[in-house]
Amino acid sequence: DGGITQSPKYLFRKEGQNVTLSCEQNLNHDAMYWYRQDPGQGLRLIYYSQIVNDFQKGDIAEGYSVSREKKESFPLTVTSAQKNPTAFYLCASSTAGTSGRAHQETQYFGPGTRLLVL
Amino acid sequence: GQQLNQSPQSMFIQEGEDVSMNCTSSSIFNTWLWYKQDPGEGPVLLIALYKAGELTSNGRLTAQFGITRKDSFLNISASIPSDVGIYFCAGRIQGAQKLVFGQGTRLTINP
Repeated sequence: DGGITQSPKYLFRKEGQNVTLSCEQNLNHDAMYWYRQDPGQGLRLIYYSQIVNDFQKGDIAEGYSVSREKKESFPLTVTSAQKNPTAFYLCASSTAGTSGRAHQETQYFGPGTRLLVL
Repeated sequence: GQQLNQSPQSMFIQEGEDVSMNCTSSSIFNTWLWYKQDPGEGPVLLIALYKAGELTSNGRLTAQFGITRKDSFLNISASIPSDVGIYFCAGRIQGAQKLVFGQGTRLTINP
């Protein structure tokens, strides 16, 4: 089945620890995104990538890092610099990328990873 | 910062009632997307709109791309218990690369 997978479902972080959230898609989408969701809030963009080996900061990139070495994968690292990491993290992908079809973008989301601080 | 106003923030209705929610902005959009999110899950795309005035249905759900290109509406007819959840609008402002999201409408249904 085509889709977006995120792992793990739940992740616990200790003080001062870096943790990495996985996101994989087999939809052949060019663009991938990471969002953070806090209770009762909308989605805030952390990082996005429109093509392999390239990515841009979103609205709340501080304390996070990403890589895009493969089209299918866009892992997010929550670093120790992120002082309030407890949240629900959502990965998404879309066909927008650099194909010139941005006006027809449709983003699809993964199931999410809930990060909790010990 | 927040560029989409989604209302209402929450709704409490009886099963069988119709539901209406909307998103408005001062900016012009060229894409509107409507999602539903269940607790602890990722948002699921319901309807995508790409043209001003476009009216699209998905079962009991109908969404419209406002003619001014600054708003969008989602209607749910004859609500059922599985409609419970949070509904988000998202849109792409003309000329922008990223989507912006509304803060969601939480729908609760009394059986």
